[in-house]
Amino acid sequence: KAGVTQTPRYLIKTRGQQVTLSCSPISGHRSVSWYQQTPGQGLQFLFEYFSETQRNKGNFPGRFSGRQFSNSRSEMNVSTLELGDSALYLCASSSGIQGASTDTQYFGPGTRLTVL
Amino acid sequence: QQQVKQSPQSLIVQKGGISIINCAYENTAFDYFPWYQQFPGKGPALLIAIRPDVSEKKEGRFTISFNKSAKQFSLHIMDSQPGDSATYFCAASTDKLIFGTGTRLQVFP
Repeated sequence: KAGVTQTPRYLIKTRGQQVTLSCSPISGHRSVSWYQQTPGQGLQFLFEYFSETQRNKGNFPGRFSGRQFSNSRSEMNVSTLELGDSALYLCASSSGIQGASTDTQYFGPGTRLTVL
Repeated sequence: QQQVKQSPQSLIVQKGGISIINCAYENTAFDYFPWYQQFPGKGPALLIAIRPDVSEKKEGRFTISFNKSAKQFSLHIMDSQPGDSATYFCAASTDKLIFGTGTRLQVFP
């Protein structure tokens, strides 16, 4: 079974621009979660989508948004980029059936976003 | 109350030694405690996990010890190997995963 894939792997943007990141979950998985990883703040939960609906949300500003398509693929969008948005953005998929608590999350390799 | 505190930040262990990483939490609603291992350039991968109704779980060289009353849990890596060199994250979950800050483990031959 193919793992979680994320595109692109690397991205360089300038302040004020917007960016869209893509995530393809493991086949059959219906839940996709997004995380931001930085050296200072560690791994922080952004949001979770299940069956095209946002099921949970972390404490990030509205500039961060996402969506999920009927095939479970997900995109994350960041508008009006700031320098502090430079990070590794990780996507994780899970079956979503047991509920987020104990449902194993499988992470992709991430998208490294650099904002100049 | 949502935080998970992890220590140490970095750890250097000789091959064959025991690596111990500790985590503490405040939110008693957490009901699932996984540990993730992350190698450079890769996403985190689930290593081992425990529920709060169990005090210890062992899988091969990896053991989680869980102390519900103290709200602490730890990862023990027995017979540490150079291939174990990675960053380890504890986490706690109710409806979403809250991660600790990570421990960079280096195992020297």
